[in-house]
Amino acid sequence: AQSVAQPEDQVNVAEGNPLTVKCTYSVSGNPYLFWYVQYPNRGLQFLLKYITGDNLVKGSYGFEAEFNKSQTSFHLKKPSALVSDSALYFCAVRDRDNAGNMLTFGGGTRLMVKP
Amino acid sequence: DTAVSQTPKYLVTQMGNDKSIKCEQNLGHDTMYWYKQDSKKFLKIMFSYNNKELIINETVPNRFSPKSPDKAHLNLHINSLELGDSAVYFCASSQIGTSGRNEQYFGPGTRLTVT
Repeated sequence: AQSVAQPEDQVNVAEGNPLTVKCTYSVSGNPYLFWYVQYPNRGLQFLLKYITGDNLVKGSYGFEAEFNKSQTSFHLKKPSALVSDSALYFCAVRDRDNAGNMLTFGGGTRLMVKP
Repeated sequence: DTAVSQTPKYLVTQMGNDKSIKCEQNLGHDTMYWYKQDSKKFLKIMFSYNNKELIINETVPNRFSPKSPDKAHLNLHINSLELGDSAVYFCASSQIGTSGRNEQYFGPGTRLTVT
């Protein structure tokens, strides 16, 4: 079985400050890890993914995430937050060593960036 | 231009009715999905489908059934609608091939309200 935990329902950050949205995962094999963002009344948009190789992954809109195998984490980060980054963020995992194409999503973290 | 489209955007209906939501992708992907997002924004996979196999989340009631007339379409049929079916339903697609490393592209969602 695979699962994802996003321990924070909401993260509040002041504009210009660095932000971190936390994600931990559980898989029996090796993971593919993804971050998606959802703006109000919209579908999810892909931000970045970890497949293999470099543990630091860079994605859209200046976001990056670091894969940490020992801590089974894949935290999303950005050096300087923008008000326009305010949205709902989802972490997702797929166990690449097991059959099936389905992703498991975390419960989502709402990011609020204040001016 | 829209990569993944869904119709209708809003659907209001009464308990006991049967309804369908249509999904089309023009990305040439081999796999399509249906997700349900509840009022707390929790996102749950319902189905994964490509031309070889249908994978059903075992928690999905058999009142829900996907129908795929061709690779570019995956429609969702719901029989005997219940109040608890009220949610936002998202269609998504991805190119799986021989791996699950590729990200999914989501449609804009269909907000279903059952009264």
